Amino acid sequence: NAGVTQTPKFQVLKTGQSMTLQCAQDMNHNSMYWYRQDPGMGLRLIYYSASEGTTDKGEVPNGYNVSRLNKREFSLRLESAAPSQTSVYFCASRTIQTGNYGYTFGSGTRLTVV
Amino acid sequence: DQQVKQNSPSLSVQEGRISILNCDYTNSMFDYFLWYKKYPAEGPTFLISISSIKDKNEDGRFTVFLNKSAKHLSLHIVPSQPGDSAVYFCAASARYGGSQGNLIFGKGTKLSVKP
Repeated sequence: NAGVTQTPKFQVLKTGQSMTLQCAQDMNHNSMYWYRQDPGMGLRLIYYSASEGTTDKGEVPNGYNVSRLNKREFSLRLESAAPSQTSVYFCASRTIQTGNYGYTFGSGTRLTVV
Repeated sequence: DQQVKQNSPSLSVQEGRISILNCDYTNSMFDYFLWYKKYPAEGPTFLISISSIKDKNEDGRFTVFLNKSAKHLSLHIVPSQPGDSAVYFCAASARYGGSQGNLIFGKGTKLSVKP
């Protein structure tokens, strides 16, 4: 089915470990996004890529890096995980050419840093 | 500073009654508004949207009202059903502003519809 696929779905890391969250979309969308969701904080933008070859910081970029590998894939890397990065991470994509400004979200990655 | 505010963290209604979820915004550049619904362990899914040139948009049991002068929008669900129990996020976009039209989300309201 067309959509946004995130891997892994669950991950437990030790403080200081690194990992990369993967995201791929098959809807030919131009823009891709990484959000984190924390209790009582809603959805906060970490990084986004307006188009292939570009990336920009969002509201909470510290401790993260991203790579827009190609039009389909946008990965999020934690170089040295910290307990404060325990969260649920959502990838999203969209294309505004259709006039729809809404995002399509993946099902999330639940990350625990101990 | 929160640009999109959902001041009610939770709301409980009886099945068959109306649910009204509220959202306020501060940025006058916002010109497109959306509501997303999120079930546990799933990603948010698009529910309904409204452009700032309108004051109402309906889709079945869901209606969004926009009051630009008050910088306020609301989502009405009539009649409410137990399957509507979820977290609802309000989002806004300044499509022609400098933020690339990225969506800004509120903190969400958890709706519980009791049978």
